[in-house]
Amino acid sequence: DAGVTQSPTHLIKTRGQHVTLRCSPISGHKSVSWYQQVLGQGPQFIFQYYEKEERGRGNFPDRFSARQFPNYSSELNVNALLLGDSALYLCATRRQPTGDIQYFGAGTRLSVL
Amino acid sequence: QKEVEQNSGPLSVPEGAIASLNCTYSDRGSQSFFWYRQYSGKSPELIMFIYSNGDKEDGRFTAQLNKASQYVSLLIRDSQPSDSATYLCAGWNNNDMRFGAGTRLTVKP
Repeated sequence: DAGVTQSPTHLIKTRGQHVTLRCSPISGHKSVSWYQQVLGQGPQFIFQYYEKEERGRGNFPDRFSARQFPNYSSELNVNALLLGDSALYLCATRRQPTGDIQYFGAGTRLSVL
Repeated sequence: QKEVEQNSGPLSVPEGAIASLNCTYSDRGSQSFFWYRQYSGKSPELIMFIYSNGDKEDGRFTAQLNKASQYVSLLIRDSQPSDSATYLCAGWNNNDMRFGAGTRLTVKP
């Protein structure tokens, strides 16, 4: 089975632009979580989606939004990019929203200039 | 106070030695704990998870959990140069996982 796949792998944007990151879960995984990892820090939780509904949200501004599709894939959108949004964005999926191991994708490296 | 704190390191051990990584957490509602290994520029890779007090062993790795002390540790026996990476401790509570900042481990040949 394919693992968690994320696209694109790298992205360069300028301040004020908008970006969309995509994640396809492992087959059978219905829960998708998004994390932001700034260099030198651990991943910070942004969102969790399960069955197309938001189940949890971290301490991120409203410029960050996400959605989950009927096939359980997910998009993370970030508007009005700031230099501080430069980070590795990780998607992690699991079968159920709780009580299960989650697996990470390879991530999308976003650079905001 | 951060919810999950790790000894910042860096930690350097000789090949064949035992590496000890420590983590404390503040949220008593955290139900299970995870250790991830992350190589530079790569995504986190799950090593072990633990949810009951005591020890859990898997090959060269042993995770320890003490809920009364809110303490989690990871021991790596017979450390190898390939174990050189950043180790992330994470606690799971309902809908989200909280990570520590990670401890960088270097195993010297």
